[in-house]
Amino acid sequence: SQQGEEDPQALSIQEGENATMNCSYKTSINNLQWYRQNSGRGLVHLILIRSNEREKHSGRLRVTLDTSKKSSSLLITASRAADTASYFCATGGDGLAFGKGNQVVVIP
Amino acid sequence: DGGITQSPKYLFRKEGQNVTLSCEQNLNHDAMYWYRQDPGQGLRLIYYSQIVNDFQKGDIAEGYSVSREKKESFPLTVTSAQKNPTAFYLCASSILWQGNQPQHFGDGTRLSIL
Repeated sequence: SQQGEEDPQALSIQEGENATMNCSYKTSINNLQWYRQNSGRGLVHLILIRSNEREKHSGRLRVTLDTSKKSSSLLITASRAADTASYFCATGGDGLAFGKGNQVVVIP
Repeated sequence: DGGITQSPKYLFRKEGQNVTLSCEQNLNHDAMYWYRQDPGQGLRLIYYSQIVNDFQKGDIAEGYSVSREKKESFPLTVTSAQKNPTAFYLCASSILWQGNQPQHFGDGTRLSIL
């Protein structure tokens, strides 16, 4: 199965700063999705970007997709303490395959 | 409110015992999934079901079994054959079984060995 893979980052930032995390994958995809997981909880879907799209916005989230480099990035602008979570990318093709996640800590 | 309910939140298994994790959804979704999450490993697919009375093995199905007798329910049994069952188990659903569908998750069951 396909495998999204985030850069294995544990990111710690101050409230108000921007947070950027990356994801790379190995095979062709139909779409790429980003999810958030708060500690001890299930995943929450954030945004889906299709393979023919290059950028997508949702509130403070900005996702880019570069299919030539097989990579995606998630930018959270003006971070808040409530953004503290793990963030997973998932590649959609024949099913959905999740990466290992990036842990983001936003310090108030 | 529509959503996915997993129970129990915490579960303990004795040696040689089978245990069943419950997953119920009221989203009217056709597809349902079970994932296992270990620290630093991300999510690994155990089983999925595209429709009632049908299910398929995922990447790590050995030692697990499922049933899909009702659209709303997709219970997972962790059998005694699963030698390392300690993990966080997540159930999810989507409207259809396709990689372009967002998945909705329950809040998980944490299974530990006694």
